[in-house]
Amino acid sequence: DAGVTQSPTHLIKTRGQQVTLRCSPISGHKSVSWYQQVLGQGPQFIFQYYEKEERGRGNFPDRFSARQFPNYSSELNVNALLLGDSALYLCASSLVDNYGYTFGSGTRLTVV
Amino acid sequence: RKEVEQDPGPFNVPEGATVAFNCTYSNSASQSFFWYRQDCRKEPKLLMSVYSSGNEDGRFTAQLNRASQYISLLIRDSKLSDSATYLCVVTAEGGFKTIFGAGTRLFVKA
Repeated sequence: DAGVTQSPTHLIKTRGQQVTLRCSPISGHKSVSWYQQVLGQGPQFIFQYYEKEERGRGNFPDRFSARQFPNYSSELNVNALLLGDSALYLCASSLVDNYGYTFGSGTRLTVV
Repeated sequence: RKEVEQDPGPFNVPEGATVAFNCTYSNSASQSFFWYRQDCRKEPKLLMSVYSSGNEDGRFTAQLNRASQYISLLIRDSKLSDSATYLCVVTAEGGFKTIFGAGTRLFVKA
């Protein structure tokens, strides 16, 4: 079975642009969450979705948004990119909430 | 105060050593607890869940003390392949928010 897949793997954007990151969960997993990880720190929680509904949101500005589709895949959107948004963006999926997550290999975003 | 705090590390240990990682969390309503392992430039991988009754998987033992809001991970007979960053993870807000510690780096040397 395929694991959690994320696309693209790498991305370079200019300040002020918008970006969309995509995630396909493990088949059958209905819960998807997104994280931002900068070098030397643990992943920071951005969003959690379950059955297409937002169930949790971390301390990120409104420039960050996400959605989950009927097939449980998910997109993370970031508007008005800042240099500080440069990071590894990780997606993770789980069968149910409150259970251990399986992570994708991430999208490395560089904002220049 | 950070929501999840871990030993800053790094820990440098010889092969065969026993090493213990500590983690504290601030939200007494936290529900689920995990240890993840992250290799350099890789994604985190679930190592084990943590329960009040303790949880053991081979050389790894995890323990939760709810009263003290403290989580531990013990690695016995360390291997070179155990070298990684160990992340303490807590869920809050009904399990709808997952909080990672900053991680503790472990180096196991021959």
